[in-house]
Amino acid sequence: AQKITQTQPGMFVQEKEAVTLDCTYDTSDPSYGLFWYKQPSSGEMIFLIYQGSYDQQNATEGRYSLNFQKARKSANLVISASQLGDSAMYFCAMREPYGGSQGNLIFGKGTKLSVKP
Amino acid sequence: AAGVIQSPRHLIKEKRETATLKCYPIPRHDTVYWYQQGPGQDPQFLISFYEKMQSDKGSIPDRFSAQQFSDYHSELNMSSLELGDSALYFCASRTLTGSGEQYFGPGTRLTVT
Repeated sequence: AQKITQTQPGMFVQEKEAVTLDCTYDTSDPSYGLFWYKQPSSGEMIFLIYQGSYDQQNATEGRYSLNFQKARKSANLVISASQLGDSAMYFCAMREPYGGSQGNLIFGKGTKLSVKP
Repeated sequence: AAGVIQSPRHLIKEKRETATLKCYPIPRHDTVYWYQQGPGQDPQFLISFYEKMQSDKGSIPDRFSAQQFSDYHSELNMSSLELGDSALYFCASRTLTGSGEQYFGPGTRLTVT
C-alpha cells in the first residue's frame, strides 16, 4: 500500500533563511507522482510543486524546489528565502496508481512551518 | 484563471440532519475528487468522478452519496449527520493530461452540533 511519512510535526525558520521539509514515501508501483501542498490557517489547499517518478531533474517552482532522491524514497521540499507568508501547514502527497484508480491523493500528516521575523 | 468553486463555504447542521455540498470544477477538467479533512488531520479521499461517472470510492460512509451532473458540477449529499462529520470538505479537479496535479477548492467547513 502507498504511504507518505512526514516526520516533522512542526518547524521554525528565520525569515530569509532556507528550510527543508522532509517527506518519505513507500510504494511498489514504478510510476508515481509526488506533490506538495500548502495549507494556510485560512484553510485552502494550494498546489506548490510536482515530481514524477521518471523525471530526470528535480522540480523547481520559484522559491520552491523538490529534493528528489528516488533510491531513498524521499521527496523533500526546500523553500528558499523564507517569508512570513510561508507560515502554514505543508502536506506531502502521493498519487494512487492509475491502474486501479483515477489518481486520488494520499497525504502525509503534514508539517507546520512557522517563519520568525 | 478560473478556480474550483465550492458552496456553501460554511454550514452548520444539527445531528441527524442532511447537508448538500456543491462543487464547480475548473472548466475542461474531467475528473473531480472529494476529500474530508477532520480537525488537525490530513485530507482523506472520499470519492471521485471521471467524465460524470463514479470512478473510485475511498473512506466514504454509506450515509454519504455523490454525483456529477451534465455540466460537470458535483454534489456531495450527507444524511443522518453525526458530530464526527464536522470537518472541512474539499473538492478538487484535474485533467488527465499532464502531471495530473489536483487543484483544490476553498473547502466547505461543516459543523454538526
